[in-house]
Amino acid sequence: EYVLTQSPGTLSLSPGERATLSCRASESVGRNHLAWLQQKPGQAPRLLIYAASSRATGIPDRFSGSGSGTDFTLTISRLEPEDFAVYYCQQYANTPYTFGQGTKLEIK
Amino acid sequence: QVQLQESGPGLVKPSETLSLICTVSGGSVSSGNFFWSWIRQSPGKGLEWIGDMYYNGRPQYNPSLNNRASISIDMSRNQVSLKVKSLTAADTAVYYCAREDYGLDVWGQGTTVIVSS
Repeated sequence: EYVLTQSPGTLSLSPGERATLSCRASESVGRNHLAWLQQKPGQAPRLLIYAASSRATGIPDRFSGSGSGTDFTLTISRLEPEDFAVYYCQQYANTPYTFGQGTKLEIK
Repeated sequence: QVQLQESGPGLVKPSETLSLICTVSGGSVSSGNFFWSWIRQSPGKGLEWIGDMYYNGRPQYNPSLNNRASISIDMSRNQVSLKVKSLTAADTAVYYCAREDYGLDVWGQGTTVIVSS
């Protein structure tokens, strides 16, 4: 089973700053089937990025994904107040699909 | 657009079987090339994929549930069902259903399940 390790665990930034979140897989993720999801308190996760770098429908272009193989990055170019949340990476290359443990993005 | 709604008992006893329903609206469970997934989230284990199913295929499951999970699709009711047997406190979680397209692109709001006597 793929193990996904996210870093950092918590990221403290201010609105307007750039956020860089990392996800490392225990083995190469086939076809770059790596997604990023955002979760706010009391809500279900929301798909932001699929196939490592494609934005889901309705996702603002300040969100971008990159990477391949075992190393992936989610970048938020300029943080808006509504971006402070928990972010998860998830691989869907092989079952069982697995999630990272999450990065909490908090207001500094 | 497609919306998903989970329903089921909020409280179940240890050793019993949990039954959850995901009702799909705004689309059909049998249209497109979508798989339908169940995921759960607990404070101790984070997000855990339980399994999925295509409307005319075989379900696939996470081995971590030790063959206790069962997923089925009722096309006449446009519903996806999940059963988990032999419950323990470790099964306490928020349970979500989700559609798989490129990634898990549509989620229900989740239903909380507490396993306690």
